Amino acid sequence: DTEVTQTPKHLVMGMTNKKSLKCEQHMGHRAMYWYKQKAKKPPELMFVYSYEKLSINESVPSRFSPECPNSSLLNLHLHALQPEDSALYLCASTTAPQGNSPLHFGNGTRLTVT
Amino acid sequence: AQKVTQAQTEISVVEKEDVTLDCVYETRDTTYYLFWYKQPPSGELVFLIRRNSFDEQNEISGRYSWNFQKSTSSFNFTITASQVVDSAVYFCALSEASSGTYKYIFGTGTRLKVLA
Repeated sequence: DTEVTQTPKHLVMGMTNKKSLKCEQHMGHRAMYWYKQKAKKPPELMFVYSYEKLSINESVPSRFSPECPNSSLLNLHLHALQPEDSALYLCASTTAPQGNSPLHFGNGTRLTVT
Repeated sequence: AQKVTQAQTEISVVEKEDVTLDCVYETRDTTYYLFWYKQPPSGELVFLIRRNSFDEQNEISGRYSWNFQKSTSSFNFTITASQVVDSAVYFCALSEASSGTYKYIFGTGTRLKVLA
């Protein structure tokens, strides 16, 4: 069983909808990540939070808005998405700030934008 | 420029064969970390192995082994006596510092099919 929990598992939304993806971990990790993965492609980094502060934004469009309300939770707010945003969204966490610790991934949210 | 290259797009082997997955990376850092992850059809990325840039000792863990060569910037991964359950996409990843935080950059992946 994964120690990083993502909800929902599947999400279908229209281009005018507002929705949120949720990620939770209780491993005491202080670095949390959002990745986007299209079919048959590698995960692409979107955002990194370190000690609840946004430390990396990989030039992601503003229709994606991350939030880290506390050390265990990470949200990704979605608004006015495009069909090409349909993908698997993966959350991951690791100990901060070291980079020698592996990322622990959730099962992902499979998003379809209609 | 691609920082982590996995030249093998797809590999098919028959069960019990050994298989090696190649990974070549590019970085300017003197200290960095390399990882292999497995992604089965269910979608979750599972951590397999890790190597620090200052430790070139190669190791074996069960059916997994890895060959890290700094001189050629390669970090290859071998599965011995492959099983059908090993069928998955395997990603090599590089951890690199960026503004005090670490980015984990994934290679393009190699799809492994183990046939019964």
